[in-house]
Formats: sequence, C-alpha cells, structure tokens
Amino acid sequence: DAGVTQSPTHLIKTRGQHVTLRCSPISGHKSVSWYQQVLGQGPQFIFQYYEKEERGRGNFPDRFSARQFPNYSSELNVNALLLGDSALYLCASSLARGNYGYTFGSGTRLTVV
Amino acid sequence: GENVEQHPSTLSVQEGDSAVIKCTYSDSASNYFPWYKQELGKRPQLIIDIRSNVGEKKDQRIAVTLNKTAKHFSLHITETQPEDSAVYFCAASPAGTASKLTFGTGTRLQVTL
Repeated sequence: DAGVTQSPTHLIKTRGQHVTLRCSPISGHKSVSWYQQVLGQGPQFIFQYYEKEERGRGNFPDRFSARQFPNYSSELNVNALLLGDSALYLCASSLARGNYGYTFGSGTRLTVV
Repeated sequence: GENVEQHPSTLSVQEGDSAVIKCTYSDSASNYFPWYKQELGKRPQLIIDIRSNVGEKKDQRIAVTLNKTAKHFSLHITETQPEDSAVYFCAASPAGTASKLTFGTGTRLQVTL
C-alpha cells in the first residue's frame, strides 16, 4: 500500500505568485490535514478536511485555502506568496474525522524568493 | 487555544543511556498526546501515543507518561542507539470531530558513541 503522497517535492516561487500543492491520502483514509513546518519549528495546523468539507482551520490568513476531492485527495492553495511562506508543507491522512492514527506525507518544500 | 511547551531543545546522550523529553500543555480539553520522530529531510513519524484515560504506555525501548493534573507528559527512551538521533516532537489534541494537533518546538536528540 502506498503511503501519503505529496507533489511536487520541491518548489521555488517568486513573491506575489500563487502555488498549488497536492496530496493523495492512504487508500481508505477520508480525512486529510495540512500543516506548515518552518525550519527549526514544529508543524502548525492549517486545515482539516473530511468527506470533502472543511472541518477545522488554523490561524492562517485567507491567502491559504484548500479543498478535498471526491477521491479524498486534496489541494492546498496559497495566493500572493510572501517570503515567510517558505516552509515544508505536510499533508497527513487518517481514517476518520478524529485525530488518531495520523500518517504524514514527505512534504513539499516551498521556497519563496 | 492550545499551547505546548517542550524541553530540552537539544539533548546529547551516550549510547546505552536513557533520554527523557518533557512537554507541558495548556488546554485541559486535550486528550490525545502523540510523539513524532523526524529525521533530517524526512516526514514526521508517529512513534508512540497516549490518550488521557491512560497514565503510561510502553513499546519496547520507548515509553510515554501522562500527568493530566499537572498537564504534562514525557517521552522516555531507554538503551539509546545512534539511530535514535533525530528531532522529536510532542503534540496535543482535543477530542472532537475537527481536532488538530498542536506541536511542541522539538528536541534534537544526539546519541553519541
């Protein structure tokens, strides 16, 4: 069974641009969450989606948005990129709405220049 | 919201010694406390977790203890090995359908020969 897959693995963008990150959960997992991990810090919660609906949102500006598709894959979109958006973006999936049994993907390393 | 503090930020032990990492949390509604290991450039991997109805849990060389009254929990690694070298993160999460993990700032563990 494949784990949580994220694409792309690395990305370089210019300030002001827009970026879309993609995540495919483990087969059978219906919940997808997104986290931002700035270098040297712990991951910070951005969104949780379950059954294609937003179920939780962290303290991030409206420039950050996400959605979940009928096959439970997910996209994270960030508009008007800032230098401070440079980070590792992690996707995690779990079977249910609850938090137990999170599995993280390897992440997308976003660099904003 | 929840706030998780983690100490120490760095920890160096000799191979075979024990290592202890401590975390405190602020939200009494939190009831799930996982620990993640993150090697350089890799995804966080769940190594052990504990729920609030349990005081201690052990898995081979790894154990976690929870004191709900004092709102702190600890990771204990015995007989450390060089492959235990990594950054360890604690996290806390409340029960509920839109739960999210709040992570500590991480502990860099170095096991020396």
